Amino acid sequence: QVHLQESGPGLVKPSETLSLTCTVSGGSISTYYWSWIRQPPGKGLEWIGSIYHSGNTNYNPSLTSRVTISVDTSKNQFSLRLNSMTAADSAIYYCARGRASGSYRVFDFWGQGTLVTVSS
Amino acid sequence: DIQMTQSPSSLSASVGDRLTITCRASQNINTYLNWYQHKPGEAPKVLIYAASNLQNGVPSRFIGSGSGTEFTLTISSLQPEDFATYYCQQTYSIPPGTFGQGTKVEIK
Repeated sequence: QVHLQESGPGLVKPSETLSLTCTVSGGSISTYYWSWIRQPPGKGLEWIGSIYHSGNTNYNPSLTSRVTISVDTSKNQFSLRLNSMTAADSAIYYCARGRASGSYRVFDFWGQGTLVTVSS
Repeated sequence: DIQMTQSPSSLSASVGDRLTITCRASQNINTYLNWYQHKPGEAPKVLIYAASNLQNGVPSRFIGSGSGTEFTLTISSLQPEDFATYYCQQTYSIPPGTFGQGTKVEIK
């Protein structure tokens, strides 16, 4: 069974950079694609971006200037960096595995999420 | 951008009820539509992918249907463990994929 676990700071100061890591167990990170999704308090889910086994990345257009997703295959981990954090970035951050079946895609495994609060 | 609108935003129901949640897309997305269940403090879980395909291990009381711009998730007989928030997600646009705003299913 594939398991994903987010790790990183729970508190970030305004204007600083958030760094989160997702550790994948029970499967290789060298296949499928890997994504970050967040949920601000009281709101719905927002896709942040994805990285593919080719190393290509796609980001939400509303965040693309501030976000970087990378992968470390030696550690079976992938990471999120989001700079210039503001209070609007406070959210539960989830990592997820993306599966493609032909042209159909789905996030089939998710981490439990990590709460990030932006505050001085 | 493709917008996804779910209705209702919340509902109250009893164990054994049949309930239907609707998701509408702002443009034709064929059958590029997934449904997820999310309980507080837990990882979201995929129920249905490609509009009507049941994810492995998901009970058959969850039924997805629709194509184009209108989709439904039906729970044929609500069970206690089904009280949660449900999200639709379109994967027609590349990159993926806008989520609906969610439908919270509460106990009546």
